Amino acid sequence: ETGVTQTPRHLVMGMTNKKSLKCEQHLGHNAMYWYKQSAKKPLELMFVYNFKEQTENNSVPSRFSPECPNSSHLFLHLHTLQPEDSALYLCASSQDIDRNLNTIYFGEGSWLTVV
Amino acid sequence: DAKTTQPTSMDCAEGRAANLPCNHSTISGNEYVYWYRQIHSQGPQYIIHGLKNNETNEMASLIITEDRKSSTLILPHATLRDTAVYYCIVIPGGKLIFGQGTELSVKP
Repeated sequence: ETGVTQTPRHLVMGMTNKKSLKCEQHLGHNAMYWYKQSAKKPLELMFVYNFKEQTENNSVPSRFSPECPNSSHLFLHLHTLQPEDSALYLCASSQDIDRNLNTIYFGEGSWLTVV
Repeated sequence: DAKTTQPTSMDCAEGRAANLPCNHSTISGNEYVYWYRQIHSQGPQYIIHGLKNNETNEMASLIITEDRKSSTLILPHATLRDTAVYYCIVIPGGKLIFGQGTELSVKP
């Protein structure tokens, strides 16, 4: 138990569907992250939020839309995805950002399959 | 940004110490070395971090060379459940950027 909870753990969606991934952290952190891990590839940082404000978007396609209503919750809204978007999506949190000492804690991930 | 180099894979006998090396020759003076591991199909798990001195916690020990250009993660008594991909990361500005890591296989 890392203090970062992701739901759902598994999701299958069609290319025309709209779905959302949810992340909640119980660590009192101010920064939250979305990472993507495709098969046989390293984790890729997608988005960074600090105090609810987006501070980084690593050229992520607009069919992925993040939302951070408060420092404890982070969503990833999914719309008109492609089969190649099938991957493990990981949420993480840390006390803040832009510091060399910054331990980041991950959730268990949401396995997404786009059919 | 400091980059790290790790062996692609390693084997270790159950009950023996697993020593995982990492090179980070371009590390800056105030950058920490972090180690995470990822067991298949799970989220990465934080193991340990260090700056200059050797560090130990309930999971592992971290040995950093005096010039800080390399480090070794030591799992003192590896078990089958330690089979995972281990990532050595130097954080530029607080963001975790993952490489390929070392795939450690602990064998009976």
